[in-house]
Amino acid sequence: AQSVAQPEDQVNVAEGNPLTVKCTYSVSGNPYLFWYVQYPNRGLQFLLKYITGDNLVKGSYGFEAEFNKSQTSFHLKKPSALVSDSALYFCAVRGGRNSGYSTLTFGKGTMLLVSP
Amino acid sequence: GAVVSQHPSRVICKSGTSVKIECRSLDFQATTMFWYRQFPKKSLMLMATSNEGSKATYEQGVEKDKFLINHASLTLSTLTVTSAHPEDSSFYICSARDSTSAYGYTFGSGTRLTVV
Repeated sequence: AQSVAQPEDQVNVAEGNPLTVKCTYSVSGNPYLFWYVQYPNRGLQFLLKYITGDNLVKGSYGFEAEFNKSQTSFHLKKPSALVSDSALYFCAVRGGRNSGYSTLTFGKGTMLLVSP
Repeated sequence: GAVVSQHPSRVICKSGTSVKIECRSLDFQATTMFWYRQFPKKSLMLMATSNEGSKATYEQGVEKDKFLINHASLTLSTLTVTSAHPEDSSFYICSARDSTSAYGYTFGSGTRLTVV
């Protein structure tokens, strides 16, 4: 069974500093990895995905994530945090073609708080 | 890009009544839609996978007679919470998979259900 771990319930960072939100995964075959952001009482907004290719993926709002196969990680990063980045972030994984394109499995979410 | 419209965004109903939530793919055909439930400060729990023209596949522990899912067309799936109780109060989110993409998911904006 596939799974996602987000080890931090909350990440605090000062505006202008770099941020990292951690994610590790477990899935059979090649993973499809996603990051989503959720603002209060809203659905999920897509940030970025890794399917294949370059391990460093660039996404929306200046976010990027690095796929590390050996460490089974897909940490979300941003060089300079903004107060408006404060939100709940979800990492998700699904299996690839060999696993029949199974459903998305989400991590428990990490609340990012950026202080002015 | 792909857009999923979810309606209503908020609903308050009395115990014992039924509530219908709609999820529409606006600019693409969605052969598969997913319904999630999210508890406060918690991750998304997949409730069921709905396939156009066939019965939904429910996750373990989800009462199919209580949470009725209908996916009658390629652009519309509905979730009906029958005989609602206060413990059904939650945030419900739908997601659709673009039939032209092997990995694209788009989420609705969610429905806040409060049962009084």
